[in-house]
Amino acid sequence: DAGVIQSPRHEVTEMGQEVTLRCKPISGHDYLFWYRQTMMRGLELLIYFNNNVPIDDSGMPEDRFSAKMPNASFSTLKIQPSEPRDSAVYFCASTRRLAEYNTGELFFGEGSRLTVL
Amino acid sequence: AQSVTQLGSHVSVSEGALVLLRCNYSSSVPPYLFWYVQYPNQGLQLLLKYTSAATLVKGINGFEAEFKKSETSFHLTKPSAHMSDAAEYFCAVRFNFGNEKLTFGTGTRLTIIP
Repeated sequence: DAGVIQSPRHEVTEMGQEVTLRCKPISGHDYLFWYRQTMMRGLELLIYFNNNVPIDDSGMPEDRFSAKMPNASFSTLKIQPSEPRDSAVYFCASTRRLAEYNTGELFFGEGSRLTVL
Repeated sequence: AQSVTQLGSHVSVSEGALVLLRCNYSSSVPPYLFWYVQYPNQGLQLLLKYTSAATLVKGINGFEAEFKKSETSFHLTKPSAHMSDAAEYFCAVRFNFGNEKLTFGTGTRLTIIP
């Protein structure tokens, strides 16, 4: 397996610009999670999908953030407009449904480091 | 409310000394428990997991953890620290069998003193 693939690895942008982060989950995984990591707040769950449907988006900070999963192999997290306080590392993770053969640990991507100037 | 607590945001140990990172959770039902490690500029990597089989779980890189139901704890240990163990460690819990969401602790940064 190629693992969870995220792009870009690094993004530097100016306040007010639109940012799109991308994620390709592991093939066969039907859950996808977006996390944000900062020094101040640690690891925060933003949103997660099951079979491409958003299940819980209560962690999305505000309307500037949106996430989509148009198919089983691709998801995006968009910030529009971006602000300096959005600077963080954004992680995507995937897993399969909990079952006898699967204990449901999350597999993480390498992350996308966003800097908003 | 269900929660995960990691005592000590920073832990320093000498090379060769015992590593002990603490994790407690709040739940009346034994959950699934995980330890993840994050090296600088990398994603989180699974170290080990408890899934209601043996209470003493062995993971990668010589780490192990013991599930103690009476103490609602899942502390991570390694008998002899190595410089390469310097990283951030996260305890995570799946509280509900029908919910694939993991609740993470706040993390413990481990520093190894030469």
